Amino acid sequence: DTAVSQTPKYLVTQMGNDKSIKCEQNLGHDTMYWYKQDSKKFLKIMFSYNNKELIINETVPNRFSPKSPDKAHLNLHINSLELGDSAVYFCASSQGGRVHEQYFGPGTRLTVT
Amino acid sequence: SQQGEEDPQALSIQEGENATMNCSYKTSINNLQWYRQNSGRGLVHLILIRSNEREKHSGRLRVTLDTSKKSSSLLITASRAADTASYFCATEPNDYKLSFGAGTTVTVRA
Repeated sequence: DTAVSQTPKYLVTQMGNDKSIKCEQNLGHDTMYWYKQDSKKFLKIMFSYNNKELIINETVPNRFSPKSPDKAHLNLHINSLELGDSAVYFCASSQGGRVHEQYFGPGTRLTVT
Repeated sequence: SQQGEEDPQALSIQEGENATMNCSYKTSINNLQWYRQNSGRGLVHLILIRSNEREKHSGRLRVTLDTSKKSSSLLITASRAADTASYFCATEPNDYKLSFGAGTTVTVRA
C-alpha cells in the first residue's frame, strides 16, 4: 500500500562508480520530484517532472540524469559518483505542480567512499 | 538559496506542553506548507495555508500566516512523544518547485 516507494534504501559505493535509484508512486499523480537532503537537513529540489516531461532542473551537474518512463516512475542515475554526492535522496509526487501537497518516499541514503 | 528559515533550530519540551516554531520567507507566496520528518523517514505533509488565510487548524496543529511580515508559525498543542521530529516550512517560489527551510528539530521528553 506504499504510496511512494524508493529502492534501494541504502547505497554504499566508491567514488567514480555509476548508480541508480528507482522511484515509483501508486497515487495516480502526474508530477514527480527528486530532492537532495544534506547532513544538515537542508532539502533542495533537484528535478521536477510533469507528465514525463522535465519541468525543473535546478542546476544539477549533468552527472545526474533523471528518467521518467511513465507517470508513475522517476528514476535517478548518477555517473562518476563523488564524495559530495553523499546525502539522502528523496522522491516525491503530487497532483499538479502548484498549491498541492507533496507525498515523499522514505529516502535513499547514498554514501560515497 | 533557501526561501524559508525556521526558528528555533531546536526545541526541547516536556510531554503535554505546547511547541511553537516560526518560519520566515523572502518572496511573495501563493501558499505555505508545513511538513514533518521523523528520524530516518520521508517528509509528511501536515497543513497548507493559502496566502489569503490568516490561521488554520488541523487537530492539535495551529498554523498562522502573516504575509505583511512574511512569516508563519506552527503551534503543536499538548505535545506527545510521537511529535518528536523535524518540522519544515515550504513555499513555492515557482510552479513545480517547493523551497524548504532548514527545519526545527523538536524533542518531546516523557
